[in-house]
Amino acid sequence: DAGITQSPRHKVTETGTPVTLRCHQTENHRYMYWYRQDPGHGLRLIHYSYGVKDTDKGEVSDGYSVSRSKTEDFLLTLESATSSQTSVYFCAISESTGQGEKLFFGSGTQLSVL
Amino acid sequence: AQTVTQSQPEMSVQEAETVTLSCTYDTSESDYYLFWYKQPPSRQMILVIRQEAYKQQNATENRFSVNFQKAAKSFSLKISDSQLGDAAMYFCAYRSAWLGGSYIPTFGRGTSLIVHP
Repeated sequence: DAGITQSPRHKVTETGTPVTLRCHQTENHRYMYWYRQDPGHGLRLIHYSYGVKDTDKGEVSDGYSVSRSKTEDFLLTLESATSSQTSVYFCAISESTGQGEKLFFGSGTQLSVL
Repeated sequence: AQTVTQSQPEMSVQEAETVTLSCTYDTSESDYYLFWYKQPPSRQMILVIRQEAYKQQNATENRFSVNFQKAAKSFSLKISDSQLGDAAMYFCAYRSAWLGGSYIPTFGRGTSLIVHP
């Protein structure tokens, strides 16, 4: 696959605390995405990046911020976690292969906000 | 904005039988990619099959095949000879093929597939 690592795999935190999730890729792909997965909603886009320091909002961006200071790292920050942000978070990248475009995902982060 | 609809929240199939999962999408673009992903209980997102819109031939991967109807904007997944390991959540996804369009993958809400022995 495209060498995507998400950290941490699991996180339990308290309401009001800041949380940062990290997505790391090893192959210099331009496009990176953060999604959240909730039952009945599928995967919803939070933020995405199309290059270093180039980011934009997705459909559920409220309460989240991102940063991409290096090609390989895309950070998602919950400035002040709320219980509604309890979810599974996925990082994804878009890769052009010899067989066409593919999307690759990290292993996900289960975040619980108590 | 593109939308992807999976109208079947849950489907069930007997082992060794065939099942079809439906997906429809809405777009004004002419060139794009469609994907089916499998998510087992391990949570890992696994690419099952991919279709380029400019290709008329339906994609196949072993027991998995698609019925791509571009005019109808339909992209169904057929699983033949179903196995217990096929039990998972399946997601349909869309992504534009050109940078001037939406380069953001859009997903349906998923279909949970149950396989009965």
